Amino acid sequence: DIQLTQSPSFLSASVGDRVTITCRASQGISTYLAWYQQKPGQAPKLLIYAASTLQSGVPSRFSGGGSGTEFTLTIISLQPEDFATYYCQQFSTYPWTFGQGTKVEIK
Amino acid sequence: QVRLQQWGAGLLKPSETLSLTCAVYGDSFSNYYWGWIRQAPGKGLEWLGEINHSGSTVYNPSLKSRITMSVDTSKSHFSLRLNSVTAADTAVYFCARVRPIMRLGELLGGFDPWGQGTLVTVSS
Repeated sequence: DIQLTQSPSFLSASVGDRVTITCRASQGISTYLAWYQQKPGQAPKLLIYAASTLQSGVPSRFSGGGSGTEFTLTIISLQPEDFATYYCQQFSTYPWTFGQGTKVEIK
Repeated sequence: QVRLQQWGAGLLKPSETLSLTCAVYGDSFSNYYWGWIRQAPGKGLEWLGEINHSGSTVYNPSLKSRITMSVDTSKSHFSLRLNSVTAADTAVYFCARVRPIMRLGELLGGFDPWGQGTLVTVSS
């Protein structure tokens, strides 16, 4: 199975901050990567697919990048509604796998 | 706009069979794979498997001996059965539409949208 490792696992930030989350794959996955946002008690929401393409309706302060084994999710100017847990997911090889998550909390 | 609504028993005893169903509204059931993902309390996400309208399945090998998925195309429903459950199967179970990896030359992928989730607790 392809392992996805996110860093950091926990991030404390303030409104207006720029934050970056990294997702590293145990083997190359080209750009077959998606990012999700999950708030407590809710289902995950697709933010970015194909490593860098913003899903329709997602604010432009979110951006994704990378290819191969290293990927990033960046939020410029963090907003109150962005405090949540973020997951990366690979769709290169079955079984599809997720990173362990990065929780973004208010400083 | 596509919407998924899921239901099923929320409390099971060890060795019983988990059974959940997901209904798809507002979309072409035949054009996609439909998947199940679970999340143990306070933990991350685990893909369980997926199925298409003709019943073709892909399962996570970690569950392959216990999992069965099925479809009812007349109702645009798909279902999950997981037998011989233990406390380790306690989780919120989500259904989701599996986006094709490629469509019209564009790389897509991912799960969108998701059902609301069903908490399944396994306890004696």
